[in-house]
Amino acid sequence: EAQVTQNPRYLITVTGKKLTVTCSQNMNHEYMSWYRQDPGLGLRQIYYSMNVEVTDKGDVPEGYKVSRKEKRNFPLILESPSPNQTSLYFCASSKEGAYEQYFGPGTRLTVT
Amino acid sequence: EDKVVQSPLSLVVHEGDTVTLNCSYEVTNFRSLLWYKQEKKAPTFLFMLTSSGIEKKSGRLSSILDKKELFSILNITATQTGDSAVYLCAVEHDYKLSFGAGTTVTVRA
Repeated sequence: EAQVTQNPRYLITVTGKKLTVTCSQNMNHEYMSWYRQDPGLGLRQIYYSMNVEVTDKGDVPEGYKVSRKEKRNFPLILESPSPNQTSLYFCASSKEGAYEQYFGPGTRLTVT
Repeated sequence: EDKVVQSPLSLVVHEGDTVTLNCSYEVTNFRSLLWYKQEKKAPTFLFMLTSSGIEKKSGRLSSILDKKELFSILNITATQTGDSAVYLCAVEHDYKLSFGAGTTVTVRA
């Protein structure tokens, strides 16, 4: 089954404790992206990757890191999480460009 | 600054009504406009529009893009309770994707 998976699905952590949210797709897609969704603000793009070893900033990259060492994986790293990073995070992938993206199930992160 | 604005923010209709959702945008290097449906989980893709004036249809849903006036509309005819969701408009530009805040549609039986 074609899918985008994210882990963990739910995470509660404390300020400053480094964490990684994994994202994996099995569709051989070139394009992958991370978004955060906050009430009233919609989805905002954090980082995107057009292919292996090619990443670029979206609209809200501050406080986040990503890497794309393999085509299927695109982890999101929060080196020192802060409460304002409490949000619902989605990973997505597509064949090329940013259109017709397939979204993962989401990761609800709470930073206390 | 890139902007994608959706209106209305929310609306409540009765089954069988027709709904029109609006999306206006101001971005550099426009590539496409997309509509997604979100029902308390991940967004699911509805339409991608790249050319002005060409209507895309899928069942009771249809959408059209006006690249001169920089907007798109999404129509839902003969609404059903299963159409209740948040409808998201997104614009692809420079390989980035910018979303509007969404329109919450509630369809009452």
